[in-house]
Amino acid sequence: AQSVTQLGSHVSVSEGALVLLRCNYSSSVPPYLFWYVQYPNQGLQLLLKYTSAATLVKGINGFEAEFKKSETSFHLTKPSAHMRDAAEYFCAVTGSGNTGKLIFGQGTTLQVKP
Amino acid sequence: DVKVTQSSRYLVKRTGEKVFLECVQDMDHENMFWYRQDPGLGLRLIYFSYDVKMKEKGDIPEGYSVSREKKERFSLILESASTNQTSMYLCASSFQGTTEAFFGQGTRLTVV
Repeated sequence: AQSVTQLGSHVSVSEGALVLLRCNYSSSVPPYLFWYVQYPNQGLQLLLKYTSAATLVKGINGFEAEFKKSETSFHLTKPSAHMRDAAEYFCAVTGSGNTGKLIFGQGTTLQVKP
Repeated sequence: DVKVTQSSRYLVKRTGEKVFLECVQDMDHENMFWYRQDPGLGLRLIYFSYDVKMKEKGDIPEGYSVSREKKERFSLILESASTNQTSMYLCASSFQGTTEAFFGQGTRLTVV
């Protein structure tokens, strides 16, 4: 069965520092992988997605993620954090079958300190 | 712009009440989903629908039912609300196949 593990429920960085949010997945079939962001009191917004094309995926707001099959990882990075990046981030993998269902990780709250 | 609209942002209901959460999408998506979000647990799938009048249980369907009479509308029903159903509920939609889902703003439900 597909599953997603996000390492670290809270990550704190200083403004201007590198952001690294970790995601490992388990999938019995080639996965589609996603990162979503949720700002306070809002729904989820897609940051980026991996759909078996390039392994380095660029998303919105300067974020990118690299698909590493050997490590079953899809970590999210941004070279320089902004205060506006403070939010909760979710990694997700497509479920089994062709249903469009997503399996989500537990979420990581990113705090950005001035 | 894709729009997924949930009828209420905040709801307060009493234990035992029947509760309806409504979701409408304007992109002619085949798939619609109801997720529940709780701290530390991420999003968990309650029910999904891949066509009008079609539905399948997700991971936590107990205490919930759904209705999809029209393609654009997907309703979540709490037959008899309980305090452990206090949560954030998120509706989403997508085209058939493994594409990204588009989410509504969420409904924060409190059952007292």
